[in-house]
Amino acid sequence: DAKTTQPNSMESNEEEPVHLPCNHSTISGTDYIHWYRQLPSQGPEYVIHGLTSNVNNRMASLAIAEDRKSSTLILHRATLRDAAVYYCILRTSGTYKYIFGTGTRLKVLA
Amino acid sequence: DVKVTQSSRYLVKRTGEKVFLECVQDMDHENMFWYRQDPGLGLRLIYFSYDVKMKEKGDIPEGYSVSREKKERFSLILESASTNQTSMYLCASSLNLGTGELFFGEGSRLTVL
Repeated sequence: DAKTTQPNSMESNEEEPVHLPCNHSTISGTDYIHWYRQLPSQGPEYVIHGLTSNVNNRMASLAIAEDRKSSTLILHRATLRDAAVYYCILRTSGTYKYIFGTGTRLKVLA
Repeated sequence: DVKVTQSSRYLVKRTGEKVFLECVQDMDHENMFWYRQDPGLGLRLIYFSYDVKMKEKGDIPEGYSVSREKKERFSLILESASTNQTSMYLCASSLNLGTGELFFGEGSRLTVL
């Protein structure tokens, strides 16, 4: 199974953009890139996902490298509520296998 | 609003006890999952169910069983709890394996003494 590598932790100032990187050098052509985040004392929640093209939604943007071996989750203006563990996950289309890593703990400074 | 509800947020059990963790979703989803989450290990899949009475083993099924008698309910069973099963247990559901968005419950923190 393809794996993802993320930094253990990152810090950001409030109101500033945050770029959370993820490496997935063994990704296959049918693997979707998903991002979830887990707020304290809660289950993970879906943020965004993509296959090849960059994606935007109301929560974040996902930038996928041309060779798909890395991706970046972009929070355009971090708020204190965005402090969470962010997971970059690969999922092969049509399967139930979501490969969770240990995530990046994002700290947002007021 | 979509909802996955886990019956207990916190449980304390003794070694050897039988433990039931219940999960209910109100979204008519086909797929349901049980994960456990441990520090430094991330989320690991215990079991997956893609339909009523259908299940598949995940990465760490040993010591666990599951039951899915109704579409909305997926139960995780520890036949004889052991201390190494102390963990956070997370239930999730998804509509299908196409878009694949997972909806998680809030988790059940189990302590086995």
